[in-house]
Amino acid sequence: AQSVTQPDIHITVSEGASLELRCNYSYGATPYLFWYVQSPGQGLQLLLKYFSGDTLVQGIKGFEAEFKRSQSSFNLRKPSVHWSDAAEYFCAVGSNTGGFKTIFGAGTRLFVKA
Amino acid sequence: ETGVTQSPTHLIKTRGQQVTLRCSSQSGHNTVSWYQQALGQGPQFIFQYYREEENGRGNFPPRFSGLQFPNYSSELNVNALELDDSALYLCASSSPSQGSKNIQYFGAGTRLSVL
Repeated sequence: AQSVTQPDIHITVSEGASLELRCNYSYGATPYLFWYVQSPGQGLQLLLKYFSGDTLVQGIKGFEAEFKRSQSSFNLRKPSVHWSDAAEYFCAVGSNTGGFKTIFGAGTRLFVKA
Repeated sequence: ETGVTQSPTHLIKTRGQQVTLRCSSQSGHNTVSWYQQALGQGPQFIFQYYREEENGRGNFPPRFSGLQFPNYSSELNVNALELDDSALYLCASSSPSQGSKNIQYFGAGTRLSVL
């Protein structure tokens, strides 16, 4: 069965420091992978997506993610975090089983300290 | 701004009541999916509608039902509300022109509280 695991429930980083959020997936075929961000009381905003090709994907707001098939991982990175990046981050895989749907991880809450 | 709008933004109901949530999809999108996001969890797929027909369903009981209209807007209906139905309900729209790549654009959600 398809699934997504985000091992870190929450992470705290200092403003200006680098960030890496971990994501592991389980999917039988070539996965379609996504990272979404959710600010408090808001819906989900798509940060970036991987379908095929270059395994390093650039997204909005200075985020990037690297697809590593051998590790079944799709970690999100940012070289320098801003206070406005504090939010909940969801890794997800696109599934075509039982209708097109997105399977989400449980999320990682990012706290940014001054 | 995704162009997906949901109403109402907040709703309070009591156990046993029925509720209807509404979603207008992004222009050009004919597929609508609904997700339930409980507090502290990731969104869970409820079901999807494509051209007014249900096109897939997650692990939710039949008291969760939906409709899609000719203009591709959609409703989520929940009967016999239970306390555990308290959650953020998210609507997402997508388009088959994306092929099977399943890029879904989400609305801001409806926060349902069941007392």
